[in-house]
Amino acid sequence: AQSVTQLGSHVSVSEGALVLLRCNYSSSVPPYLFWYVQYPNQGLQLLLKYTSAATLVKGINGFEAEFKKSETSFHLTKPSAHMSDAAEYFCAVSGGFSDSSASKIIFGSGTRLSIRP
Amino acid sequence: ETGVTQSPTHLIKTRGQQVTLRCSSQSGHNTVSWYQQALGQGPQFIFQYYREEENGRGNFPPRFSGLQFPNYSSELNVNALELDDSALYLCASSLGGVKETQYFGPGTRLLVL
Repeated sequence: AQSVTQLGSHVSVSEGALVLLRCNYSSSVPPYLFWYVQYPNQGLQLLLKYTSAATLVKGINGFEAEFKKSETSFHLTKPSAHMSDAAEYFCAVSGGFSDSSASKIIFGSGTRLSIRP
Repeated sequence: ETGVTQSPTHLIKTRGQQVTLRCSSQSGHNTVSWYQQALGQGPQFIFQYYREEENGRGNFPPRFSGLQFPNYSSELNVNALELDDSALYLCASSLGGVKETQYFGPGTRLLVL
C-alpha cells in the first residue's frame, strides 16, 4: 500500500536560509508525488508534482523537489526562505492503487514551517 | 475561471444530527474528491465521484455518503454525527486520472458538540 512519511512535524529556519522539508514514500509501483501548502484557515494549494518526467521538479514560489527512487525520497527545498513561506506543507502520493479510485491522494501528516526574522 | 468553492465555511452541529456540505467544482472538471482533515493531521480520503458515480471510497463508515450532480457539483452528507467528525472537510476537483492535479476548495470547518 502507498504511504508517505514526513520527517519533522515542525521546522524552523531563519529568513534567507535554506528550507529543507523531508518526505519519504512507500510504493509498489512508480508513484506520482505532490507537495501541497496550506496557509492558516485555507485549503490546499499545489506547489509541485512529479509524474515520471524529470526527476527535479520546479514549482511555484521558488520551491523545488527531487525524486530519488533509490532513496524513496521526494524532499522539498527552497534556497532562501521568506516570511511568507510560513505555512503547513504536505507531501502526498497518488497512483497504483488496486481499487478503482486510482486518483485518490494519500497525504503525509504535514510539516509546519516557521520563519525566524 | 472559477475555482473550487465550498459552503458553508463553518458549521456547528450536535451529536446525532445530520449535515450536508456542498462543493462546486472548477469549470470543466468531472471528478470530485472529498477529504477529512482532523486538527493537526493530513487530509484523509473519504470518497471520489466521477460523472455522478462513486469511483472509490476510503476507510469511512456508510453514514458518510455523497452525491455528484450533472453540473459536477457535489454534496457530502454525514448522518448520526459523532464528536470525532469535527474536522475541516475539503473537496477537490480534477479531470480525473492519477496524473491530474486536484484543485482544493477552502474547506468547511465542522464542529460537533
